[in-house]
Amino acid sequence: GQNIDQPTEMTATEGAIVQINCTYQTSGFNGLFWYQQHAGEAPTFLSYNVLDGLEEKGRFSSFLSRSKGYSYLLLKELQMKDSASYLCAALTKAAGNKLTFGGGTRVLVKP
Amino acid sequence: GAGVSQSPSNKVTEKGKDVELRCDPISGHTALYWYRQRLGQGLEFLIYFQGNSAPDKSGLPSDRFSAERTGESVSTLTIQRTQQEDSAVYLCASSLLNRQGATLNEQFFGPGTRLTVL
Repeated sequence: GQNIDQPTEMTATEGAIVQINCTYQTSGFNGLFWYQQHAGEAPTFLSYNVLDGLEEKGRFSSFLSRSKGYSYLLLKELQMKDSASYLCAALTKAAGNKLTFGGGTRVLVKP
Repeated sequence: GAGVSQSPSNKVTEKGKDVELRCDPISGHTALYWYRQRLGQGLEFLIYFQGNSAPDKSGLPSDRFSAERTGESVSTLTIQRTQQEDSAVYLCASSLLNRQGATLNEQFFGPGTRLTVL
């Protein structure tokens, strides 16, 4: 089966940096997605990594290590509006090329 | 262009009644997913339609749940004899598929249907 783990909650201060880790155990790995979901809203796409390394998009960066089954999402210069859940999802051939989501990490940004 | 739409946005029903939820994916998206999300929880995969292949129904929690999709367009999720534990937000997402049939880049989510079973 597919196993995706991420912390349940994290708290950080406005202006700081937070790193959300995600580990996965899958077969036929085809890529790793991060989504942001504000309370009461649908998830929105943040990033997609299929090769090892760091992808940077403004204040958000995502890292992937395929050999370690590990990814992280880095949020820099935190703003209050970044308070949301962050969902890690793996795309795997073994799962019929569909996305399998982790339980999400709730990030609370405090002033 | 138009995104993924879902209807109704809210549905309140009585225990034991049947409900039908609708999803209109983005035009041209051959992959369509249904998820369930209980309050404060992650996304729970229900069913996946991948182009012309047989749907992956491995996530459906019981035989009270079923879904259909007409070609590459509208999908309906039906819950029969609803129970209180079915109360959740039901999210639909669509995406393109690459030549290998894998989800290409991102899934686009609809706004969800909030189902409340009294």
